[in-house]
Amino acid sequence: QKEVEQNSGPLSVPEGAIASLNCTYSDRGSQSFFWYRQYSGKSPELIMFIYSNGDKEDGRFTAQLNKASQYVSLLIRDSQPSDSATYLCAVRGNNRLAFGKGNQVVVIP
Amino acid sequence: GAVVSQHPSRVICKSGTSVKIECRSLDFQATTMFWYRQFPKQSLMLMATSNEGSKATYEQGVEKDKFLINHASLTLSTLTVTSAHPEDSSFYICSAIGTGRSPLHFGNGTRLTVT
Repeated sequence: QKEVEQNSGPLSVPEGAIASLNCTYSDRGSQSFFWYRQYSGKSPELIMFIYSNGDKEDGRFTAQLNKASQYVSLLIRDSQPSDSATYLCAVRGNNRLAFGKGNQVVVIP
Repeated sequence: GAVVSQHPSRVICKSGTSVKIECRSLDFQATTMFWYRQFPKQSLMLMATSNEGSKATYEQGVEKDKFLINHASLTLSTLTVTSAHPEDSSFYICSAIGTGRSPLHFGNGTRLTVT
């Protein structure tokens, strides 16, 4: 089982809709969870981090963490064309940091 | 503002020459720095992990004699691509992390073109 798994297929959402991204991880001792956004040809940038079970909201972004089920998700509300990018899930624990392969999001105007 | 500075952002070099890329953490002490490579439309590929003052740990398939990594201080790591070849042309990205729960911050990347 991979350390961090994200669905690899691109996600197309109409402008204004909610984009939902999921990420599962294998290390139950993981403590910190991050979402990065990467535009084509650019390096990743941190958009959200979450440490505790539950929801964390920042603007149009909401991160959800469920440690019992070992998943972390990202919701993007009111999706905009500028949200079109690849979103990377990262999990830190036991001095290791593992990334998922990323989810491409395409927001259709 | 940027917390990890990476230079140069672009470099073109001739085959057989060496190129050095610098990565600096600007306002925190980076206990660990990571070097990634990314080819077009592909995922980030971890090349090596370096801790300050110790030798880098390379991922399987990455030649340590070709990709020299030095992490001499808590704020600076360098990657030297030695005897570069056209197949080394790629987007190289450094990242740095501090202690505890701190997130990983990425540099802006270096686009290397070997002619």
